[in-house]
Amino acid sequence: DADVTQTPRNRITKTGKRIMLECSQTKGHDRMYWYRQDPGLGLRLIYYSFDVKDINKGEISDGYSVSRQAQAKFSLSLESAIPNQTALYFCATSGQPGTRDRGSTDTQYFGPGTRLTVL
Amino acid sequence: AQKITQTQPGMFVQEKEAVTLDCTYDTSDPSYGLFWYKQPSSGEMIFLIYQGSYDQQNATEGRYSLNFQKARKSANLVISASQLGDSAMYFCAMGPGGSTLGRLYFGRGTQLTVWP
Repeated sequence: DADVTQTPRNRITKTGKRIMLECSQTKGHDRMYWYRQDPGLGLRLIYYSFDVKDINKGEISDGYSVSRQAQAKFSLSLESAIPNQTALYFCATSGQPGTRDRGSTDTQYFGPGTRLTVL
Repeated sequence: AQKITQTQPGMFVQEKEAVTLDCTYDTSDPSYGLFWYKQPSSGEMIFLIYQGSYDQQNATEGRYSLNFQKARKSANLVISASQLGDSAMYFCAMGPGGSTLGRLYFGRGTQLTVWP
């Protein structure tokens, strides 16, 4: 089974709809992230969370919100989807299982991605 | 400001040859990490290799090695003995330390095509 899973894998929705993308991980990591990928732009950070009570904005948080329901779950919401939010969305996790060491740069491991199309 | 620069939108290499993918970065933090990820056409992001800013030796992982030149702020990926399955998009990323710990900044990627 995959360590980082994302649901749904593909979604087509209409402008103005509320959308939730979900991420679950079995790696035991504390840190979780949401990125979006647009053609030619690489990946850009939307939100990140270092533990259940810690939520931080990334580079492009406008129009998005997140919820860290548990150590293993981190969901991304688009309250009112718009066409320029059409992109490939990735969840990632990092951190040694069972530790809270913030002194290192951890490798981030990515989920399979969710392809979102907003019409 | 862009922190990671990948100047090669596309690269071509013949099977079994070596190829170097360029990456330069910009940071004032003394502690940081450099990463390379592979994204095949199926879309997933696959971690390849990591180099810490204090590591004395260049990182290696199988056919992948990272040519780390700290003074020049470059972290080029070298793939030896290219295989057809290496055809993919490759992203360089930097994880700074300090107050921005946890973020990864990505370059725009290099599309590698391996031909027979």
